[in-house]
Amino acid sequence: KQEVTQIPAALSVPEGENLVLNCSFTDSAIYNLQWFRQDPGKGLTSLLLIQSSQREQTSGRLNASLDKSSGRSTLYIAASQPGDSATYLCAVIPQYNQGGKLIFGQGTELSVKP
Amino acid sequence: GAVVSQHPSWVICKSGTSVKIECRSLDFQATTMFWYRQFPKQSLMLMATSNEGSKATYEQGVEKDKFLINHASLTLSTLTVTSAHPEDSSFYICSAKQGSANTEAFFGQGTRLTVV
Repeated sequence: KQEVTQIPAALSVPEGENLVLNCSFTDSAIYNLQWFRQDPGKGLTSLLLIQSSQREQTSGRLNASLDKSSGRSTLYIAASQPGDSATYLCAVIPQYNQGGKLIFGQGTELSVKP
Repeated sequence: GAVVSQHPSWVICKSGTSVKIECRSLDFQATTMFWYRQFPKQSLMLMATSNEGSKATYEQGVEKDKFLINHASLTLSTLTVTSAHPEDSSFYICSAKQGSANTEAFFGQGTRLTVV
């Protein structure tokens, strides 16, 4: 059974810092991995999608990497801003499930202080 | 990205009544829709997967008679919480995707249900 873990559970940094959020998964047989952002009381916004054949994806100040063999992904946020404060969730689609359901980690709650 | 609209964004209902939540894909045909439940400070828990025109597949422990899911068209899925109780109060989020298992999933803005 696929399990997804995110470390740390919470992170507080001063504005301007570069930071890394970690995600690990137990079964490397995945279709893809997605990183999401969730603001309090809101739905999820998709940030980056990495297919299993890819190593990384970039969007603006965000860079996500995927090492499928070791079951790890990182989300790198450059020059953090207070507006980046949110909960970041990673999720994988395991290949054993043909329905394409996402298995989520518990999230990392990020706070960027001005 | 594609847009998924969820309605209502919040609802308060009395114990024993039923509540319907709608999830619409606005600019694509959603062959598969997912319903999640989220408790405060916790991650998303998948409740069920639905494919257009088929019965929903429920996750273990989710009562299919309590959480009725209908996916009658390629752009609309509904979740009905029947005979709601205070313990059903939660944040419900839908997700939709088009095509095969490895395509990107898009999420609605969520519905905050409070049962009093």
